[in-house]
Amino acid sequence: EIVLTQSPGTLSLSPGQRATLSCRASHIVTSNSLAWYQQKPGQAPSLIINAASSRATGIPDRFSGSGSGTDFTLTISRLEPEDFAVYYCHQYGSSPLTFGGGTKVEIK
Amino acid sequence: HLQLQESGPGLVKPSETLSLTCAVSGASISNSNYYWGWIRQPPGKRLEWIGSVFYSGTTQYSPSLESRVSISLDRSKNQLSLRMTSVTAADTAVYYCAKGPFFLELRFAFDDWGQGILVAVSS
Repeated sequence: EIVLTQSPGTLSLSPGQRATLSCRASHIVTSNSLAWYQQKPGQAPSLIINAASSRATGIPDRFSGSGSGTDFTLTISRLEPEDFAVYYCHQYGSSPLTFGGGTKVEIK
Repeated sequence: HLQLQESGPGLVKPSETLSLTCAVSGASISNSNYYWGWIRQPPGKRLEWIGSVFYSGTTQYSPSLESRVSISLDRSKNQLSLRMTSVTAADTAVYYCAKGPFFLELRFAFDDWGQGILVAVSS
């Protein structure tokens, strides 16, 4: 099983600032099959990045994903008020599929 | 526009069986370009993959749940189902169904999710 470790657990930033979220895998993620989700309270997760670096449909270009192998990063270039949420990484290349523990991006 | 809607009891007694369904509209569950999954989230905790089913009916399950879980497709109703036996308080969670693309024998990330249903296990 691929264990995904996200850091930091909480990121306290102001609107307009840059957010950098990390996801480290215990084993190589097959074919960079790594996604990022945004989840707001009381809502289902929403896909923002697929295949490590491809933005999902309708996702603004302030969101970008990078990385390969075991180290992946989600960057939000300039935080908008609607971006404050919890972000999860997810690997879907190997069964069992797994999720990271999440990074909460909160308003400072 | 694809929609997924989970339904089932909100309260299940310990040791009993949890049964949920996910009604799919806007797409056929028999479409070979999709696969389907169940994911849960205990209160305040991370997401946990329960299992997936492909258009052929082939299933994959989390090893930690495999002995208690089954997922199936009902093509006549265009829905998928989850059955989990011998539930305990640890199974209390929001349960989501989701759809993912499936091309050339490769799956991609779940890109459509239901709103989720909270299931509590309590006597």
